[in-house]
Amino acid sequence: DAGITQSPRHKVTETGTPVTLRCHQTENHRYMYWYRQDPGHGLRLIHYSYGVKDTDKGEVSDGYSVSRSKTEDFLLTLESATSSQTSVYFCAIGTGINSPLHFGNGTRLTVT
Amino acid sequence: EDQVTQSPEALRLQEGESSSLNCSYTVSGLRGLFWYRQDPGKGPEFLFTLYSAGEEKEKERLKATLTKKESFLHITAPKPEDSATYLCAVQAVETSGSRLTFGEGTQLTVNP
Repeated sequence: DAGITQSPRHKVTETGTPVTLRCHQTENHRYMYWYRQDPGHGLRLIHYSYGVKDTDKGEVSDGYSVSRSKTEDFLLTLESATSSQTSVYFCAIGTGINSPLHFGNGTRLTVT
Repeated sequence: EDQVTQSPEALRLQEGESSSLNCSYTVSGLRGLFWYRQDPGKGPEFLFTLYSAGEEKEKERLKATLTKKESFLHITAPKPEDSATYLCAVQAVETSGSRLTFGEGTQLTVNP
């Protein structure tokens, strides 16, 4: 799986609680991404990073924040989880412009 | 706004029955079109990148083609192990990094 590990693989949490998802890569790729996948919407970009401490917003970034303190780790935080954030979250990595993305196996998050 | 529409949503084939999946796209300037395969409970797996109209790529029973408005994924003599959801994504020239806009996918089932 291109050296990408997402943790946890499954999580159930309550509305209003903070949640952090972790993506760890062993490929030393510059770019890292967080996508969410929902029925009827496909994969949508939340945030991405183009280097350590360099991040930018995607199309569905409201309610999410990210941090990248090391090349290999990219964290996605839901400050106060809501039921609309129930989804499957995928991390992806890439080497640069024109390069295909390689995805992890996802984290299934349920907010009750 | 970049848009990707895939059809059909679902396709059921008999083993050996060839067919095609369609990906129609609207993008201001195409940098690349990507095809992925996704198995249940897994992240998308990269198949092909196409960059310009007329380009074709092949891998085993799969062949991807590209025109200025759409891409086709042709499946020749499919086997049950080809059953998966196939995703199409585009990258626009003006986007930073390797940001992709995805379609919702075609769920392919190949019966023995």
